[in-house]
Amino acid sequence: GQNIDQPTEMTATEGAIVQINCTYQTSGFNGLFWYQQHAGEAPTFLSYNVLDGLEEKGRFSSFLSRSKGYSYLLLKELQMKDSASYLCAVRIGNAGKSTFGDGTTLTVKP
Amino acid sequence: EAQVTQNPRYLITVTGKKLTVTCSQNMNHEYMSWYRQDPGLGLRQIYYSMNVEVTDKGDVPEGYKVSRKEKRNFPLILESPSPNQTSLYFCASRGGGASEQYFGPGTRLTVT
Repeated sequence: GQNIDQPTEMTATEGAIVQINCTYQTSGFNGLFWYQQHAGEAPTFLSYNVLDGLEEKGRFSSFLSRSKGYSYLLLKELQMKDSASYLCAVRIGNAGKSTFGDGTTLTVKP
Repeated sequence: EAQVTQNPRYLITVTGKKLTVTCSQNMNHEYMSWYRQDPGLGLRQIYYSMNVEVTDKGDVPEGYKVSRKEKRNFPLILESPSPNQTSLYFCASRGGGASEQYFGPGTRLTVT
């Protein structure tokens, strides 16, 4: 089956850097996505990796190692509005199947 | 405005009373999915569709049905709802290739 693990909760300080890890064990890997979800709202897309390496997008970066089944999301210059849940998701094959981790709730403190 | 819409946004119903949650997207996306989200369990895929008349089961399909008669619509049907289907439901769509999913605003369903 498919399995995705990420920490349940993390806390960081405003202005700091935080790294949220995600490990996965899946068959048919076809890309890894990170989404942000504020409480009571729909998830919104942050980043996508299908090849090994780092993808940078403003204050957010995401890294993928396919051989290790490992990804991380790096958030720099944390702001209070970054307090949210961060979801790691793996796309399986080409037919539309996706598996999500349970999400990491990040709390940014002043 | 490019968007995914869901209706209703909130619904309280009773066990066994058939219901349909509609989902529509205006981006001409091929792929559509339904997810449920429960506290501490993240998003779990119920059904997905890669195009008209092509649907497949996700990880938690029991008790649900879907149809994809038109590209823009992907309704979720609960023939006989039960209390364990009380949840927050999200519809999502995406285009082909490496594109990300766009999520609807969610439907909060309570079955008593």
